[in-house]
Amino acid sequence: QVQLQESGPGLVKPSETLSLTCTISGGSIDSGGYYWSWIRQRPGKGLEWIGYIYYSGITFYNPSVKSRVTLSADTSKNQFSLKLTSVTAADTAVYYCARVEDGAPSYYFDQWGLGTLVTVSS
Amino acid sequence: SYVLTQPPSVSVAPGQTARVTCWGDIIETTSVHWYQQRPGQAPVLVVYSDSDRPSGIPERVSGSKSGNTATLAISRVEAGDEADYYCQVWDDNSDLGVFGTGTKVTVL
Repeated sequence: QVQLQESGPGLVKPSETLSLTCTISGGSIDSGGYYWSWIRQRPGKGLEWIGYIYYSGITFYNPSVKSRVTLSADTSKNQFSLKLTSVTAADTAVYYCARVEDGAPSYYFDQWGLGTLVTVSS
Repeated sequence: SYVLTQPPSVSVAPGQTARVTCWGDIIETTSVHWYQQRPGQAPVLVVYSDSDRPSGIPERVSGSKSGNTATLAISRVEAGDEADYYCQVWDDNSDLGVFGTGTKVTVL
């Protein structure tokens, strides 16, 4: 069973860059057939898809954050990462990493990490 | 951006059936997936591709779709089913993951 674990700072200052890493265990990021994604949930709100990455480096982002977000993958560490620049209080959320099952044409998220709370505050 | 509309809340007595609906223009032409999120926990996939269940999800959880409305049904509801439920689709035109607004299921 694949397991995902988010890690990174829990507190980020406004205007700085939020950086999170998702470590995959029980499976390989480059096993193929899966994309890897970040999803966030603002306090008391619903789920928002941020973007996905394929191990080869193919990425796609939600237009709502596209100008500020970068996803990357490190196959040697079996990890993928999220960078979100110029953060504001509106970026305060629990951030989840998730595996994307390729049920083309409709993808879904079949494995999730536990999530990590990131607070943007000075 | 695309919106999937769910009722904010559904209340159900133990042993009865809870039904959560998800409406959106795109639903008729794509597959719908459902997630359960218990308080303080990460979401869990409970139905994929309209009506399939991942291993470990009980048979009393089912999904269906008619036209632009998808429905998640939970029969013989138990206290442990109290959670938020989200539908999700993939907008193929925009290559965008879209979640529903979420429904809080309360067991009376």
